[in-house]
Amino acid sequence: LAKTTQPISMDSYEGQEVNITCSHNNIATNDYITWYQQFPSQGPRFIIQGYKTKVTNEVASLFIPADRKSSTLSLPRVSLSDTAVYYCLVGDVNTGNQFYFGTGTSLTVIP
Amino acid sequence: NAGVTQTPKFRILKIGQSMTLQCAQDMNHNYMYWYRQDPGMGLKLIYYSVGAGITDKGEVPNGYNVSRSTTEYFPLRLELAAPSQTSVYFCASRIDRFTDTQYFGPGTRLTVL
Repeated sequence: LAKTTQPISMDSYEGQEVNITCSHNNIATNDYITWYQQFPSQGPRFIIQGYKTKVTNEVASLFIPADRKSSTLSLPRVSLSDTAVYYCLVGDVNTGNQFYFGTGTSLTVIP
Repeated sequence: NAGVTQTPKFRILKIGQSMTLQCAQDMNHNYMYWYRQDPGMGLKLIYYSVGAGITDKGEVPNGYNVSRSTTEYFPLRLELAAPSQTSVYFCASRIDRFTDTQYFGPGTRLTVL
């Protein structure tokens, strides 16, 4: 079960780009990288998923280097409503019935 | 679609009592999960199911039981509640083994006194 390491917390001013890095040194060949967002008193919500290189959707971008031992979630021009905890998960799409959430990164956006 | 629903939203139990946390999904997802989240911590997997009639233990299964008789429902049973089981419980579902995206319910906040 590949585990992940993230910074515990980050602060950013409104309007700035935020990059949150996740380390997953033991990632396996079949593992995908998935990021979730969680607001207080709510369940986590899917943000983005990728396998290699770069993935972009309407909410964020995900950068994965060639060795795949880390990944970076990029949130463009954050607003106060982006204040949340962000979790990086690594899972095997073929046998990955278990997912390790870790402690996540608490992002605080400052006005 | 209602997505993933959980009942109750809140519950207070006395030590030694039992209860069942309900979870339902209307998306016809094969995979379902139960997590617990302690204050300031990440989610820990309790049990999961890959389809009706099939369940397996996760990271922290002790003190809990599950059943999955249908695709839609995945109840979590607490027997002999203990203060260490005070937590927020989340149920999630996932389409199949080829898609990692999980859809979470709103959670059940449980306090054991």
